[in-house]
Amino acid sequence: EVQLLQSGGGLVQPGGSLRLSCAASGFTFSPYAMNWVRQAPGKGLEWVAGLRGIGDNTYYADSVKGRFTISRDNSKNTLFLQMNSLRAEDTAIYYCARDRTWYSSSWNFDYWGQGTLVTV
Amino acid sequence: EIVLTQSPVTLSLSPGERATLSCRSSQSVSSYLAWYQQKPGQAPRLLIYDASKRATGIPSRFSGSGSGTDFTLTISSLEPEDFAVYYCQQCTNWPLTFGGGTKVEIK
Repeated sequence: EVQLLQSGGGLVQPGGSLRLSCAASGFTFSPYAMNWVRQAPGKGLEWVAGLRGIGDNTYYADSVKGRFTISRDNSKNTLFLQMNSLRAEDTAIYYCARDRTWYSSSWNFDYWGQGTLVTV
Repeated sequence: EIVLTQSPVTLSLSPGERATLSCRSSQSVSSYLAWYQQKPGQAPRLLIYDASKRATGIPSRFSGSGSGTDFTLTISSLEPEDFAVYYCQQCTNWPLTFGGGTKVEIK
């Protein structure tokens, strides 16, 4: 069974840092692109960052570029989101999400983590 | 950035009725469009990808159509569990973007 188990959310002061983790199980992690998507309280979905499974290409929303870093440790089947210089507008539930296809990324997401709340 | 505009914002229907949701893109995304369903307190669920292909395990009452800039998600006969918020997402241009959502509520 595919599972994405998130950890690392919480309350942080403006300007502070936080690192989110997403531990994957039930599938071969390394070939899949992975993403972070967030949802501010009562609002819609916002894609935050993506990372290819092969080649380590990274992509970011303009709103987080230069402040957030997406990375992965394939030996530990874990995805990360390092968030620096946090702002009040970064307050949201953050979801990790797996790409639907392996090797050739489709950039749509078939499995999601449970979400973790970040409050700035 | 590609802007996706969903309409209507809210759709009030009764169980058994047909739901038609629209997603319009500010520029062509070919067929690289997905639809998600989200219920309160839950993560989104992938329904449709490549505009018209149902994701694994999705009931046949859900169907997608369209290409270019105009897309439609149709629920042929609403079941009680279908009342939720629906989002479209374009999968071809950076940054990836979602529409603002359509809430399907019980009339």
